[in-house]
Amino acid sequence: DTEVTQTPKHLVMGMTNKKSLKCEQHMGHRAMYWYKQKAKKPPELMFVYSYEKLSINESVPSRFSPECPNSSLLNLHLHALQPEDSALYLCASSQDDLGGTEAFFGQGTRLTVV
Amino acid sequence: QQQVKQSPQSLIVQKGGISIINCAYENTAFDYFPWYQQFPGKGPALLIAIRPDVSEKKEGRFTISFNKSAKQFSLHIMDSQPGDSATYFCAATGGTNAGKSTFGDGTTLTVKP
Repeated sequence: DTEVTQTPKHLVMGMTNKKSLKCEQHMGHRAMYWYKQKAKKPPELMFVYSYEKLSINESVPSRFSPECPNSSLLNLHLHALQPEDSALYLCASSQDDLGGTEAFFGQGTRLTVV
Repeated sequence: QQQVKQSPQSLIVQKGGISIINCAYENTAFDYFPWYQQFPGKGPALLIAIRPDVSEKKEGRFTISFNKSAKQFSLHIMDSQPGDSATYFCAATGGTNAGKSTFGDGTTLTVKP
């Protein structure tokens, strides 16, 4: 199983809503990532979890709150988002965060903030 | 400061032709160079990757050429097919925060039948 599964695939939320994105992998990977991707742009790293601990936060606004409940799951909690936060949110995993190995990406959640 | 520069931004190739995408990097601590293929509405998928101790790697119609001294690497797609039409991202990892992938800006490839 080389899949990273993300739910939901699409999400429309108002600026006052609270929602969560979910990501799951069963490859035994110990590093998991959240990326944000705007149209025609490369993925932009938001957070890195290594062995279930947050290791990198790329100065992401606090309206995005990551959580890693266990080694297979990664959540991204959303609150009070802005329309400019509309994007494709990608989860990825890799064997570890030491580099030198490929990252497996999920299909993404297409988020629209209205 | 952009650490991985990718060109061209877009590329149109006839079916059966060769598609070439180039990337250049600055950080000599990078030690893994993957290429990702992304179709609209989908996540990036690893296509092929290379380490700097190898000058070339081939997998089917896809070849990476790597020039360590010039800090450049390129993707060659032989016998390009319409199904290859996608956005291609080069990336690099290594050094400080080694798990973090630094991406090029992407190349939109269109293969005309």
